[in-house]
Amino acid sequence: GNSVTQMEGPVTLSEEAFLTINCTYTATGYPSLFWYVQYPGEGLQLLLKATKADDKGSNKGFEATYRKETTSFHLEKGSVQVSDSAVYFCALPSNSGYALNFGKGTSLLVTP
Amino acid sequence: KAGVTQTPRYLIKTRGQQVTLSCSPISGHRSVSWYQQTPGQGLQFLFEYFSETQRNKGNFPGRFSGRQFSNSRSEMNVSTLELGDSALYLCASSLGASGAHYNEQFFGPGTRLTVL
Repeated sequence: GNSVTQMEGPVTLSEEAFLTINCTYTATGYPSLFWYVQYPGEGLQLLLKATKADDKGSNKGFEATYRKETTSFHLEKGSVQVSDSAVYFCALPSNSGYALNFGKGTSLLVTP
Repeated sequence: KAGVTQTPRYLIKTRGQQVTLSCSPISGHRSVSWYQQTPGQGLQFLFEYFSETQRNKGNFPGRFSGRQFSNSRSEMNVSTLELGDSALYLCASSLGASGAHYNEQFFGPGTRLTVL
């Protein structure tokens, strides 16, 4: 079935460093792809999404491009802030389309 | 617009008991999904309801059940609790008719269940 694999953390970066979190997917067809973020003690928030190949999703300085040829949707940010410390999840719809399948999550800690 | 609310936020139960968790979706949303989040297994889909009908169910034992009411509020129930049921239970709502490809899912803060 549809699934995603993302790099395991934790990832520790200094403020203003460049961030990449890798995500690859396995799917039937070309599903929408999502990045969610979970701040400590909270639920998940949609960070960005892409609905078709070559789409670039972007929000709050984060970007991810839907790459059909490499089945990837890597998350990037040019300059991270302490407030970006959170857990990031890559996700895609399940085969039924009525649920989301999530990666294991990547914990990011940004230090001043 | 108010977000997704879940009650209670924290719950402590003992093995063998049962528990009911509640989720109120965003006004106008007709789909409610439930997920279990644990450190070992990550986020796992439990079930999804749309207009009071369960459209999809994850791979969980029959001790896990749910329902949705006519006002789209949803409850999930876990009977005969086991230690391994300790988790954060997240509810998500969406407009819903077209599924996850097209309808953004909005998550609540979760209910933290601890089974002793």
